[in-house]
Amino acid sequence: DGGITQSPKYLFRKEGQNVTLSCEQNLNHDAMYWYRQDPGQGLRLIYYSQIVNDFQKGDIAEGYSVSREKKESFPLTVTSAQKNPTAFYLCASSGGAGGPLSTDTQYFGPGTRLTVL
Amino acid sequence: AQSVTQPDIHITVSEGASLELRCNYSYGATPYLFWYVQSPGQGLQLLLKYFSGDTLVQGIKGFEAEFKRSQSSFNLRKPSVHWSDAAEYFCAVGAVDSNYQLIWGAGTKLIIKP
Repeated sequence: DGGITQSPKYLFRKEGQNVTLSCEQNLNHDAMYWYRQDPGQGLRLIYYSQIVNDFQKGDIAEGYSVSREKKESFPLTVTSAQKNPTAFYLCASSGGAGGPLSTDTQYFGPGTRLTVL
Repeated sequence: AQSVTQPDIHITVSEGASLELRCNYSYGATPYLFWYVQSPGQGLQLLLKYFSGDTLVQGIKGFEAEFKRSQSSFNLRKPSVHWSDAAEYFCAVGAVDSNYQLIWGAGTKLIIKP
């Protein structure tokens, strides 16, 4: 089945640690995205990538980093510089390389819930 | 500033009753409009989208939405809800002359009474 997988489903981090969230897609999509979701708020874009080896900052990129070495993979690292990392993180992909505002539908993974202890 | 408002944080509807979820936006240009649904603990699924053309858009699961430019609204409707429709619904808006991002509403949680 084609789709987007995110792992782990739940992740706990101690203060001062970096953690990496995995996102893999087998939809052969060019574009991939990372969003953060907090209770009572809409999604906010962290980073997006329209093509391998290229990515762009979103609205709240500070304290996060990404890489796009392979078309199907777009891991997100939450660094110790992110002051309030507890949130639900969603990865998405879309077929074209038009970016977040293209007419291409974004398909979402099931999410990773990160909690800082 | 560009914004999206979903005025209702929660809505409770009886099973079989009709549903309307409100979405209002503030944008200077012709918007792209989306409705997504999120079941508990899950990712988001696209219900429908509007880019141009007929202002009444049909989506999956029996949902429809109507773009009203004069009211800056894109309300989501369903004639008869099912218990499986209980979820959180998000409206998102973008425009070609904005920057790269979609603007998301804060969501409306739909509760179904048996």
